[in-house]
Amino acid sequence: QVQLVESGGGVVQPGRSLRLSCGASGFAFSDYGMHWVRRAPGKGLEWVAVVGSDGTTKYYSDSVKGRFTISRDISKNTLQLQMDSLRVEDTAVYYCAKEGGSSGSDRFHFDHWGQGTLVTVSS
Amino acid sequence: EIVLTQSPATLSLSPGERATLSCRASQSVNNYLAWYQQRPGQPPRLLIYGASNRATGIPARFSGSGSGTDFTLTISSLEPEDFAAYYCQHRNQWPPDGTFGQGTKLEI
Repeated sequence: QVQLVESGGGVVQPGRSLRLSCGASGFAFSDYGMHWVRRAPGKGLEWVAVVGSDGTTKYYSDSVKGRFTISRDISKNTLQLQMDSLRVEDTAVYYCAKEGGSSGSDRFHFDHWGQGTLVTVSS
Repeated sequence: EIVLTQSPATLSLSPGERATLSCRASQSVNNYLAWYQQRPGQPPRLLIYGASNRATGIPARFSGSGSGTDFTLTISSLEPEDFAAYYCQHRNQWPPDGTFGQGTKLEI
């Protein structure tokens, strides 16, 4: 079955960097777009970034653009999120999520999610 | 940029009652609207996609309706495990960002 397992979270000071990973299994990883979504304490879900199945189409929320970089390694079935210049407001649980299909409108929802990894930005 | 507005922010009901949650888009999203449930300490779970299609394994008491700008998630008879947060979400072909509503907390 589909499994997504995040890792790399932790406590980091403002201005520092952190790299999150998401290991994928149980599906053809190279066929699906992949996303990062976060939930800050006491807040709702916030979409963060997407990488297309082609590995080159990438898009970011305004709140992380220029600071975060999404990438995927097809050979290792892994999704990454490089987070630089971290801010206190980036504190959240970060989830990786798989698109619901490989084509058409099935790409427009997220059918599988990882358990999440907590990132805390604090001095 | 499309904005999704959910109402109410909090809904207080009892087991066995019917729940109606609303999601309004700032412009037409056709039927590209999904609903998720998130329980405390758990990741989100896909309930409904394409406005009205139940995801795999989702009980029949969950149903979605609407098109254009106004959408509804209905839970016909609440079970104790249904008390959680619910989010609507939309994504376009381009830009491929996944906008979420601010959520509705369904409480006992």
